[in-house]
Amino acid sequence: ETGVTQSPTHLIKTRGQQVTLRCSSQSGHNTVSWYQQALGQGPQFIFQYYREEENGRGNFPPRFSGLQFPNYSSELNVNALELDDSALYLCASSLGTATDTQYFGPGTRLTVL
Amino acid sequence: QQQVKQSPQSLIVQKGGIPIINCAYENTAFDYFPWYQQFPGKGPALLIAIRPDVSEKKEGRFTISFNKSAKQFSLHIMDSQPGDSATYFCAASSNTGKLIFGQGTTLQVKP
Repeated sequence: ETGVTQSPTHLIKTRGQQVTLRCSSQSGHNTVSWYQQALGQGPQFIFQYYREEENGRGNFPPRFSGLQFPNYSSELNVNALELDDSALYLCASSLGTATDTQYFGPGTRLTVL
Repeated sequence: QQQVKQSPQSLIVQKGGIPIINCAYENTAFDYFPWYQQFPGKGPALLIAIRPDVSEKKEGRFTISFNKSAKQFSLHIMDSQPGDSATYFCAASSNTGKLIFGQGTTLQVKP
């Protein structure tokens, strides 16, 4: 059984640029959720994807968008990067959209200069 | 109402001690309460989770105590070891798949 993987591990961008982060869900899982974790804080829910459709969104602006592919892998896209977007971006996969156990990947550390 | 408040922010115990981390919530629709452990540079790893129909759950050295009427739950780590030194997060969810996390507790277990 393969766990949740994310790429890249680290990324440095400048303000105004765009970034794409990638996530492969755990084998057999059809749901992917994305979280932003600022330094010293708990993860904050960005959005969830289930069967290629967005299924719930947290308090994040539209410049945060995502995709889910038929193999259940997912992308998080952030446009017009701001300094405050610097954080650890976590992907979690689960089997189902409800209160199911979510398994997190190692995250992508994004630094915006 | 969507917040989960976690305390203390940091905790230092001696090896063998029993650190206790507490969380409180307001939203009575929450029905799933997991605890995650996170090491520096890593993603959170699920430790143990509880649902409101039970008051206590044990898995190995980790125990969750749940008080539905007080809307509080806590994590106890029995016989703590230096390898338990990490940041611990409580979380809650209301059948939406959206986890609401507490602010985290940094635990240091001294040898």
